[in-house]
Amino acid sequence: EIVLTQSPGTLSLSPGERATLSCRASQSVSSSYLAWYQQKPGQAPRLLIYGASSRATGIPDRFSGSGSGTDFTLTISRLEPEDFAVYYCQQYGSSPTFGQGTKVEIK
Amino acid sequence: EVQLVESGGGLVKPGGSLRLSCAASGFTFSSYSMNWVRQAPGKGLEWVSSISSSSSYIYYADSVKGRFTISRDNAKNSLYLQMNSLRAEDTAVYYCARQPPLRAIVGYFDLWGRGTLVTVSS
Repeated sequence: EIVLTQSPGTLSLSPGERATLSCRASQSVSSSYLAWYQQKPGQAPRLLIYGASSRATGIPDRFSGSGSGTDFTLTISRLEPEDFAVYYCQQYGSSPTFGQGTKVEIK
Repeated sequence: EVQLVESGGGLVKPGGSLRLSCAASGFTFSSYSMNWVRQAPGKGLEWVSSISSSSSYIYYADSVKGRFTISRDNAKNSLYLQMNSLRAEDTAVYYCARQPPLRAIVGYFDLWGRGTLVTVSS
C-alpha cells in the first residue's frame, strides 16, 4: 500500500497569500496518478486536480498542481475566503489511498 | 442536475447489517465505474470499494473484504453497499463517488454525494 504523507498539518495564512501544500508518497506514484480534493465542514470532498496537474472542470486557475514520482504539490496562488478548508491528496491506479489532510486556516 | 444521493445509513449494533443505496441522476450512470468512500468522524478519507460500469470488475479495501458487497443496478441508476458483520470501526459517513473513465483499476472521483452516516454501537 502506498502511504501518502501531507505537510504541514495546518497552514495559517491570510487572504491574498500563497499556499503551498505538500504530499509525499512512500513509493513512486505511477503515471502521476495523483489527485487533490478540497473539503469544507459538513460537505463532501470536491475534486480540484487529477493527473497531478490537470484542473478539474470549474476549478479556478489559482489552483495548480505539480510534481511526479513521490513528491507532489498543490499551490493556491492567492487565497480567497472560500479557500479555507481541508485539502487531501489521493493516489490511484490500483489500491487508492488518501493523505491525512492539510487544514488551511485563516491567520 | 447531475447528482448522487445516498441513503440507508443509521444506528446498528456490532455484528449487524446495513444496506446503503446511492441514486444517480443527470448523467449516464451505466457508463461510469462507481465507488464507496468513507470518513470516520473527525478523520480522513478511506476508499472502500469500486465496481466497474458493467459490474465485471469489483474491488475492496482489505479492511472490508469478506464483509461488504458492492453492487449496482444500471436500469435503476443505483449503487448499493451491503455491509455485514459491522464493527465499531466501520462508523463513518459513507460517500458514493463517480469515477471518470481511466486506464486504472480504481481512479479519482469527480462527483460525490453528500454522504450517509453509519454508526455502529451497542
